[in-house]
Amino acid sequence: DVKVTQSSRYLVKRTGEKVFLECVQDMDHENMFWYRQDPGLGLRLIYFSYDVKMKEKGDIPEGYSVSREKKERFSLILESASTNQTSMYLCASSPAGRGAPRETQYFGPGTRLLVL
Amino acid sequence: AQSVAQPEDQVNVAEGNPLTVKCTYSVSGNPYLFWYVQYPNRGLQFLLKYITGDNLVKGSYGFEAEFNKSQTSFHLKKPSALVSDSALYFCAVRGKGSSASKIIFGSGTRLSIRP
Repeated sequence: DVKVTQSSRYLVKRTGEKVFLECVQDMDHENMFWYRQDPGLGLRLIYFSYDVKMKEKGDIPEGYSVSREKKERFSLILESASTNQTSMYLCASSPAGRGAPRETQYFGPGTRLLVL
Repeated sequence: AQSVAQPEDQVNVAEGNPLTVKCTYSVSGNPYLFWYVQYPNRGLQFLLKYITGDNLVKGSYGFEAEFNKSQTSFHLKKPSALVSDSALYFCAVRGKGSSASKIIFGSGTRLSIRP
């Protein structure tokens, strides 16, 4: 069965702290995504990675960075957490290549981050 | 620019009645269209997608959606609602030929099914 796991379900951090959110998928997918979900705004893409060490900025990359050293793992880093980064963070993966299969994203359970 | 709209924040339906969750989109060229569902404290789960072919797409849990090109809509439907269908539903769109990262999600519609 397809599985995307995220390192924490709930996280509380203080302003200015460096925060690491980790995501692991066991499906050998090339594409991995980090989104944040806020009420009324839906999902907004922070960063996308289409291969190891490859990344692409999404719609709201400011204040975030990412790391993909291994195919199965995609980390989101908040360099200096701020209160406006309090949100639900969702990781997803999808296969690459042509055709319908690559269009389906598989999501992790999410990490609810509170920055005080 | 691509966009997707879910005009209703909340939809309330009695159990056993048909349900519709609306979605309209704007994209250059032909679209890929998706519906995802999010149950409380869970990540999103894929429900169904339109890539090409038949305009009526059937998905998980008895849901279906109809691609209407002239109205640029992709409404989600189910003939008979269950209480367990209560969840947050997201429509998403991506233009054919664009990068996998260019998928746009709607703001979500909360579906509430009363017994």
